[in-house]
Amino acid sequence: EAQVTQNPRYLITVTGKKLTVTCSQNMNHEYMSWYRQDPGLGLRQIYYSMNVEVTDKGDVPEGYKVSRKEKRNFPLILESPSPNQTSLYFCASGGGDQPQHFGDGTRLSIL
Amino acid sequence: RKEVEQDPGPFNVPEGATVAFNCTYSNSASQSFFWYRQDCRKEPKLLMSVYSSGNEDGRFTAQLNRASQYISLLIRDSKLSDSATYLCVVSPSGTYKYIFGTGTRLKVLA
Repeated sequence: EAQVTQNPRYLITVTGKKLTVTCSQNMNHEYMSWYRQDPGLGLRQIYYSMNVEVTDKGDVPEGYKVSRKEKRNFPLILESPSPNQTSLYFCASGGGDQPQHFGDGTRLSIL
Repeated sequence: RKEVEQDPGPFNVPEGATVAFNCTYSNSASQSFFWYRQDCRKEPKLLMSVYSSGNEDGRFTAQLNRASQYISLLIRDSKLSDSATYLCVVSPSGTYKYIFGTGTRLKVLA
């Protein structure tokens, strides 16, 4: 079964405490993305990766890092989280003229 | 002007009604188009791709108008289970970038 798996699903943490949200896909897609979704703003792309070791900034990359050491994994790293990064985060796999598949989402609250 | 614009709604329609949403996009080089459905803060799920000639999937019909730069989604015989937010997605030519509209909320009423 085609899957995009994100962890954790929910996280409450404090300002400045580094965190990582993991994302894994089993569809052998080269392209993966991270989005955040905020009320009234829709989904906004944070970072994307076109292949292993190839990443680029999306529309709202400030405060985030990513890495793509293996094709299946694309973790999102918040080195020093701040309250304005409280949001719903989605990892997606696939793209271009093909549909993207989304993970279940990660609800992140930063106090 | 936003790259992809949708009427946020909500569209409140009775069961059995036909409802249509439009979505306009600003980049004429846009190549790929999709409609996604999202239920209350869950992950977006692909509803259908939108092809140049228009396409139909059961009660759902999608159309693309390149001249006027919009895509549309028509839902016939609305069901209660169609209540959701419908997201328009556009991907410019030569990129893997997806640009999302903010969504149109549909409520189907019994």
